[in-house]
Amino acid sequence: EIVMTQSPATLSVSPGERAALSCRASQSVGSNLAWYQQKPGQAPRLLIYGASTRATGFPARFSGSGSGTEFTLTISSLQSEDFAVYYCQQYNSWPPYTFGQGTRLEI
Amino acid sequence: QVQLHESGPGLVKPSETLSLTCNVSGASINSYYWTWIRQSPGKGLEWIGYIHYTGITTYNPSLESRVTISIDTSKKQFSLKLNSVTAADTAVYYCAGKDSSSWDVGWFDPWGQGTRVTVST
Repeated sequence: EIVMTQSPATLSVSPGERAALSCRASQSVGSNLAWYQQKPGQAPRLLIYGASTRATGFPARFSGSGSGTEFTLTISSLQSEDFAVYYCQQYNSWPPYTFGQGTRLEI
Repeated sequence: QVQLHESGPGLVKPSETLSLTCNVSGASINSYYWTWIRQSPGKGLEWIGYIHYTGITTYNPSLESRVTISIDTSKKQFSLKLNSVTAADTAVYYCAGKDSSSWDVGWFDPWGQGTRVTVST
């Protein structure tokens, strides 16, 4: 099973600043990585797939990068609605599909 | 717009069977692998398994001995049964879809709103 490790657990950032969230895989997953955004009381929502392709409805300030075992989700110029928990998920080697433990982005 | 809606008991006794159903609207039942994912404070997001409209299933090896996912294409719904539950199965259970149109799709979209299940006497 591929273990996904996210860091930091919590990231405190001010609105307008840039945030970089890290996701590391225990073995190579190629570009088979997705990111999700979860707000309180809501289901996770697909944000990025293929490591760098934005899902429908998300603005260009969200970008994903990386391949192999190291990935980064970057949010430039944070808006108030971006404060949420972000999860990465690998789909290179399954079953099982596996998720990271999440990074909470707080003001 | 694809919509998924979970339903089922919010409280299950230890050693009994957890049963949930997900109703699908706005999408062809043939277009996705219909998926169950759970989220708990202790284990985070955990993929449980999925089913294709043909009935083919794939399960998480860690849960495979206790899990059954089934589908009723005529009702556009699929179901989860998890037997011999313990407190560790307490979680929010989500149904979700994984697009079946391409072999390289491995992400989950859309998701239901989730249903909280507590295992307790």
